This record gives sequence, structure tokens and C-alpha cells, in this order.
Amino acid sequence: GDSVTQMEGPVTLSEEAFLTINCTYTATGYPSLFWYVQYPGEGLQLLLKATKADDKGSNKGFEATYRKETTSFHLEKGSVQVSDSAVYFCALSDTGGSYIPTFGRGTSLIVHP
Amino acid sequence: DAGVIQSPRHEVTEMGQEVTLRCKPISGHNSLFWYRQTMMRGLELLIYFNNNVPIDDSGMPEDRFSAKMPNASFSTLKIQPSEPRDSAVYFCASTPKGGQSTDTQYFGPGTRLTVL
Repeated sequence: GDSVTQMEGPVTLSEEAFLTINCTYTATGYPSLFWYVQYPGEGLQLLLKATKADDKGSNKGFEATYRKETTSFHLEKGSVQVSDSAVYFCALSDTGGSYIPTFGRGTSLIVHP
Repeated sequence: DAGVIQSPRHEVTEMGQEVTLRCKPISGHNSLFWYRQTMMRGLELLIYFNNNVPIDDSGMPEDRFSAKMPNASFSTLKIQPSEPRDSAVYFCASTPKGGQSTDTQYFGPGTRLTVL
């Protein structure tokens, strides 16, 4: 079946540091890939997505590239801010079976001033 | 536009009591999902509706849980009787079309349930 594996957190960084959160997946079809962000006390919200291989999703300085050859969708940001502190979820939705999303366990990011 | 609306935001109840969580999806969205989030198990899908019809309820933990969607603008998740292990944050999410892998999920703010 489909699965998503994220690096375990928490990830702790200083402001303006470079961020990478790794995400790899397994899927039977041709999935769309997503990053969602959850701020404290809130629901998840879409950060970015990519729907086919080699697509790059970007939003608010965050980027992720759909790499089919390595089955990866790593999240990056060049310079994090304290306001980026949140939990980040990688997810996929597959065409090969159920299109119900599969979520990773989430990675907590803590950014210190 | 209003997002997904959930009520109540917080619920504290005693073991054995009935709990009803409510959700209003975004107007025009065809699909609705109920999730449960805990530290131990992460985000779990409980049930999924498309056009008000339950499509997949394989994630519903046991017979104590039930969900309904009587119309396109309202859904409930009921737990009867509640147990302490049901304590979690329950999210409702909706998607515009349903049945498409490119769909974005729009989440509500969640209901934090505590069963004493």
C-alpha cells in the first residue's frame, strides 16, 4: 500500500538557518504530493503541492521538488523565521488505488531567535 | 469565504457519556473527511463521505463511533459511550471535488476532546 516516511523531529534551528525536512514515499500509481503545515492550536493547511514528476511546488519561501527517481519530496527553505515554527506533514494522494490522502507522522520545527 | 467550521472547539466529558462533534464543510465541496490526531498514532482517517454518502469507514475504531452526513452542509461524529482513550483532537476536512488525487484538503480548526 501507499506510505509516507518523514524524518523525525523536532528539528531545532536558529533564525535565518537553512531548512530541509526529508520525505520519501511509496505508491502504486502516479501520486500527487503535498506539504501541509499545522500551527499550534490550528488545523492543517496546504503549504505547497506538486502533481507530476519534476514539478516544483513553492509558497512562502518554501520549495519541494517531486523526484520520481528517488521517490522523494523534500521540503526546503533558505532562511527560516521564528514564525515558521510549526509541524510539517508530507502527504500523497494516489491514482493507483484509493485517492484518499496518506499522511506522514509530521515533523516539528522549532526556530529560535 | 468561511472555511470549514467545527464545533465545539473544546469538549470535556466523563467516561460513558455521549459526545457529538459537528462539522460544516466549505460550501460547494463534495467530499468530507473525519480525522483523529494523537501524539501516539499521528493523524488517522476515520471516515470519508462523497456527496453525502459514506465511502470508506474502515478507520472507525469500533461500534462506539458513528458518523452521519444528512446534507451537503453538515456532518456529525458521535461517540457513545465515550472512553478516556478517545481523548484526541478530531478534525474535519473537505475537498472541492472528491475522487481526484490532485485535490487539496481544507481542514477545520479541530475539536479537542478530553474524556475523564
